[in-house]
Amino acid sequence: GQSLEQPSEVTAVEGAIVQINCTYQTSGFYGLSWYQQHDGGAPTFLSYNALDGLEETGRFSSFLSRSDSYGYLLLQELQMKDSASYFCAVGDQGGKLIFGQGTELSVKP
Amino acid sequence: DADVTQTPRNRITKTGKRIMLECSQTKGHDRMYWYRQDPGLGLRLIYYSFDVKDINKGEISDGYSVSRQAQAKFSLSLESAIPNQTALYFCATSDAGQGVGNEQFFGPGTRLTVL
Repeated sequence: GQSLEQPSEVTAVEGAIVQINCTYQTSGFYGLSWYQQHDGGAPTFLSYNALDGLEETGRFSSFLSRSDSYGYLLLQELQMKDSASYFCAVGDQGGKLIFGQGTELSVKP
Repeated sequence: DADVTQTPRNRITKTGKRIMLECSQTKGHDRMYWYRQDPGLGLRLIYYSFDVKDINKGEISDGYSVSRQAQAKFSLSLESAIPNQTALYFCATSDAGQGVGNEQFFGPGTRLTVL
């Protein structure tokens, strides 16, 4: 089966850096993705890692270590609008995504 | 216009009623998905379809059925709604070529309340 673990809540201040971790157990692994969701709205794709290492997209970066079954999302120069829920998701061999339970990020002034 | 639309956006119904949630997409994607979201439980897959003739059960299909009427339309039905089906429901699509990590595009969601 598949399971993912991520913290339920993270709080940080505006301008800071925050890291959201994700560990996974999967029977087949086809990459780690991150999605952002504001206030029950549509989740939106942020990033994807198929290989070990760091992927950077503006203020957001995502890291993957396949040997450790671990990844993280790094958000830099936090802004109030970054307050949202963040989900990690792993792809399986059937072409589906399995989502973690989400991390609620609160950015304080 | 939105690429993935869901109707209705909000629905309140009573126990035992049959409910249909509809999803349409203009992205030309072959793959479509239905998820439900409950507080603290993330997104759980109900059903998915990789083309018009392909329907598969997801993690939590009991109590639900689906219909893929066309490439662009994927409907979710609750044959006899019960209160623990109260949740936020999302439809999503993805490209069969798997694009970037099978990136999925989500509709705005349907908030369903079963009394």
